[in-house]
Amino acid sequence: NAGVTQTPKFQVLKTGQSMTLQCAQDMNHEYMSWYRQDPGMGLRLIHYSVGAGITDQGEVPNGYNVSRSTTEDFPLRLLSAAPSQTSVYFCASSYRGGSGANVLTFGAGSRLTVL
Amino acid sequence: GDSVTQMEGPVTLSEEAFLTINCTYTATGYPSLFWYVQYPGEGLQLLLKATKADDKGSNKGFEATYRKETTSFHLEKGSVQVSDSAVYFCALNFGNEKLTFGTGTRLTIIP
Repeated sequence: NAGVTQTPKFQVLKTGQSMTLQCAQDMNHEYMSWYRQDPGMGLRLIHYSVGAGITDQGEVPNGYNVSRSTTEDFPLRLLSAAPSQTSVYFCASSYRGGSGANVLTFGAGSRLTVL
Repeated sequence: GDSVTQMEGPVTLSEEAFLTINCTYTATGYPSLFWYVQYPGEGLQLLLKATKADDKGSNKGFEATYRKETTSFHLEKGSVQVSDSAVYFCALNFGNEKLTFGTGTRLTIIP
């Protein structure tokens, strides 16, 4: 199984440019989510989805857009990149395991630099 | 809101030393608790979990016990190896799609 696949692994943007980070999972997981990882701040939830056609905002949604047209795919769009969006982005999918715990499977990450 | 507090790193130990990484949480109710590990250049992966009070999660020689009375989930390993060098994240979840993470603790093991 490929698990969770993110592309690209690295990207450099100029301020104001737009781009899409791709995420695909092949585990038929209901839940998918995007996190950003910044030094000293751990991981913060950007957007999440509980199924195809359903998305919602997380802790830090501003400047990002998502859609979930299929179970497998959950792209993250940066509408107008800003230097504050320089970060490492992780996509994750999850299922509700035994005893109700939600276990995440992460992609390898996408490192984005905005100049 | 819910939060997770981890001991600040970085932590540097010699091979075969005993490891403890402290984690405490604040939450309304009784969440599931997790430790995730991130090896260099990789995404996070689940190390262990516990879903109710007094549960002990264990994997790869690591252990953590869910302590409701102290709201803690400290990670321990009796004898660390160089291959354990990584960043460790404590996290909590109430069975929905949102996990709350601590800030992470970088561990370096010296041969």
